[in-house]
Amino acid sequence: DTGVSQNPRHKITKRGQNVTFRCDPISEHNRLYWYRQTLGQGPEFLTYFQNEAQLEKSRLLSDRFSAERPKGSFSTLEIQRTEQGDSAMYLCASSLGQGLNTIYFGEGSWLTVV
Amino acid sequence: AQTVTQSQPEMSVQEAETVTLSCTYDTSESDYYLFWYKQPPSRQMILVIRQEAYKQQNATENRFSVNFQKAAKSFSLKISDSQLGDAAMYFCAYRSAWTGGGADGLTFGKGTHLIIQP
Repeated sequence: DTGVSQNPRHKITKRGQNVTFRCDPISEHNRLYWYRQTLGQGPEFLTYFQNEAQLEKSRLLSDRFSAERPKGSFSTLEIQRTEQGDSAMYLCASSLGQGLNTIYFGEGSWLTVV
Repeated sequence: AQTVTQSQPEMSVQEAETVTLSCTYDTSESDYYLFWYKQPPSRQMILVIRQEAYKQQNATENRFSVNFQKAAKSFSLKISDSQLGDAAMYFCAYRSAWTGGGADGLTFGKGTHLIIQP
């Protein structure tokens, strides 16, 4: 069990550029989640997958954001035409099923838009 | 929609003392799960303790225990014998037990920054 892995850990990009983050969940976990966290705030839910199906998207996920989980394994979160307001830490998490099952978090990917 | 409120942005406690972090939540659901997560500086979030809403018995994990008051929608975390390694942000989180509509995931509070004084 290597835990949830996220890459890159840090990304600085110019406004208007596209960025992509990758998440590798714990191998047997069927559920994968993306959250956004800004300084001094708790994580905010963005979207989640059960296997390869994207089952829920937050209204925070504007049209510039897209997430995929091909074949139900790793996931990518792409932000197009980045804005300064997108600067945040993007957290990925995974779990085996619902309910009381632990949701495990990665270390996050920090995005700074300049 | 559910909301989670942590009214203490920061708490400070002397090493070896006991501290209680507050959390209240709002929901119309009767069945759900509550969690406390710890996020050390620049490190990943880890689960501290969890509670099922339909269980009246308060959860305990070593030095960590909760006081779950369902009617009051309160879920506080007590840390006994505080240690330097307990210093972190602590987040209270809610998870619905019903995911039939495709919804799942955690709703977090804003967090409490816990400082341990040697």
